[in-house]
Amino acid sequence: DTGVSQDPRHKITKRGQNVTFRCDPISEHNRLYWYRQTLGQGPEFLTYFQNEAQLEKSRLLSDRFSAERPKGSFSTLEIQRTEQGDSAMYLCASSLVYYGYTFGSGTRLTVV
Amino acid sequence: KNEVEQSPQNLTAQEGEFITINCSYSVGISALHWLQQHPGGGIVSLFMLSSGKKKHGRLIATINIQEKHSSLHITASHPRDSAVYICAVGSGETSGSRLTFGEGTQLTVNP
Repeated sequence: DTGVSQDPRHKITKRGQNVTFRCDPISEHNRLYWYRQTLGQGPEFLTYFQNEAQLEKSRLLSDRFSAERPKGSFSTLEIQRTEQGDSAMYLCASSLVYYGYTFGSGTRLTVV
Repeated sequence: KNEVEQSPQNLTAQEGEFITINCSYSVGISALHWLQQHPGGGIVSLFMLSSGKKKHGRLIATINIQEKHSSLHITASHPRDSAVYICAVGSGETSGSRLTFGEGTQLTVNP
């Protein structure tokens, strides 16, 4: 197992376009988290899944954002009608319920 | 006031110096994490602790639950230690719960 992988590493998109990111967690980890990090700030929580169930969503996650984790394996985060304020690093992490975290390398989104 | 506050925001040291980064939090926690982030974004988990002290190589992390305070120490610092160090707390029912992050401390170690 090579850890948590995220794809793509970088994405440049025009304002108004839709984008989708993928996260593949460590296979035996049942929890998967999405965080967003803007320049010079610590990451902020967006949403998390336990297995395939989305258990919590931040109020940061507007109606333009949707996340899925079909079959409790990989997860996707989609942003519709992107805005310049969506430009950030999107981080995925996975964990076991009683154990620590493993982070992915992140997807850096630039909206132009 | 942020739930997790770190100090200092920026720290410059000479190679070999002993370094301390502090973290204070205002919520009840199940665990506290120290993380390292290099340019390019990848985050590496250094420590997860809920009491006492942990040591790994030149890194030491301590936590005082009563005072809601944690410190990360680096002994004999080296330029390769240059990175952003982030304190994060898990306030859910388990140590694998979602995290609230501090803003990070940018450490630069000069040769």
